[in-house]
Amino acid sequence: EVQLVESGGGLVRPGGSLRLSCAASGFTFSSSAMSWVRQVPGKGLEWVSGIGAGGGNTYYADSVKGRFTVSRDNSKNALYLQMNSLRAEDTAVYYCAKAQWQLVHDYFDYWGQGTLVTVSS
Amino acid sequence: EIVLTQSPGTLSLSPGERATLSCRARQSVSSNYLAWYQQKPGQAPRLLIHGASSRATGIPDRFSGSGSGTDFTLTISRLEPEDFAVYYCQQYGSSPLTFGGGTKVEIK
Repeated sequence: EVQLVESGGGLVRPGGSLRLSCAASGFTFSSSAMSWVRQVPGKGLEWVSGIGAGGGNTYYADSVKGRFTVSRDNSKNALYLQMNSLRAEDTAVYYCAKAQWQLVHDYFDYWGQGTLVTVSS
Repeated sequence: EIVLTQSPGTLSLSPGERATLSCRARQSVSSNYLAWYQQKPGQAPRLLIHGASSRATGIPDRFSGSGSGTDFTLTISRLEPEDFAVYYCQQYGSSPLTFGGGTKVEIK
């Protein structure tokens, strides 16, 4: 059974940093691209960042480019999102999502349950 | 960036009725790389359809997807009580990946 479990969310002040993690199991992690997708409570979905299966290709939404960094450790079956210079508008539930194939430009066949990030003073 | 517009915003229907949801793109979606997801309150999205018309594993055949280019449709042939939820379309043919704003299917 595929499982994606996010952690690392919480309350952080504007300008602060946070690192999200996603622990994956139940599939060959190194064969799937992964993405982070966020959702402001009560609003729609926004793709944030993605990383190819091998970790060499990374992509970002313009809204987070230069502030967020996605990475993965295939030996640990783990996905990460380093978030710096956080703003109030980054407040959202952050989902870890698995792509069907190796490329980031794909649909998401499995999602984690999400971790809430709140940016507030 | 490919902007996806979903309509209607809310669809009020009764169980057993047919639901037709629209997703329109401002520019053509490459290779019809269009997916549909269902999201219930407090839950993560669930994949329903990919490639515009291919049902994901385990999805009932009352869900069907159609369309190409810039116009796509998700049809639920006969609504079951568990189908009342929010539905999102997503294009994955070009960067950045984008989602539509969602259609809420509510009980009339």
